[in-house]
Amino acid sequence: DGGITQSPKYLFRKEGQNVTLSCEQNLNHDAMYWYRQDPGQGLRLIYYSQIVNDFQKGDIAEGYSVSREKKESFPLTVTSAQKNPTAFYLCASSVGTSGSKGNEQFFGPGTRLTVL
Amino acid sequence: AQKVTQAQTEISVVEKEDVTLDCVYETRDTTYYLFWYKQPPSGELVFLIRRNSFDEQNEISGRYSWNFQKSTSSFNFTITASQVVDSAVYFCALKRAAGNKLTFGGGTRVLVKP
Repeated sequence: DGGITQSPKYLFRKEGQNVTLSCEQNLNHDAMYWYRQDPGQGLRLIYYSQIVNDFQKGDIAEGYSVSREKKESFPLTVTSAQKNPTAFYLCASSVGTSGSKGNEQFFGPGTRLTVL
Repeated sequence: AQKVTQAQTEISVVEKEDVTLDCVYETRDTTYYLFWYKQPPSGELVFLIRRNSFDEQNEISGRYSWNFQKSTSSFNFTITASQVVDSAVYFCALKRAAGNKLTFGGGTRVLVKP
């Protein structure tokens, strides 16, 4: 059945290391997104991609990088430049960007990243 | 700039009580979309409803109902006869007609006690 998968569910990283979070969708959605959620707070947009081989910075892109080589996949790399990377990371996708059909974003189960 | 405010950080009720979650938004756009999402303890956000700015009809889906009032820029959510399974964090979000960005409120944690 269709959906969004994120792996791993829990991730531990030593300070100074880069780490890549996986996000895969089989919904045939064009647009994909990465959000960060800190305890007791709402979601903040890191990066988004409307189409393969294209992506844009969100509100808090510093210290993160992404790629969109395939429609189904949108991995997020948390680099050592990210000052406070411990957070819950959520990936989402949507059909597109125009018209009412393209507006709902559907979310994956999330990855909880802890920097030791 | 877009902004969504959920003034209630946490609401605690006893099972079968009704609970209303407030959402107030700010936007200069005339066309926009409003959403509610549920985040259970597992962490995944579950889409509940989308409302277009030009459709002010209230909506009911089972025990859930939504009251959209453009005049007061509010999009409130009511759970009728709450159940323990309704315990979650609920987010209200706003999206412009053009573009992808969702602006989220800070969320309201609902705790339903048996």
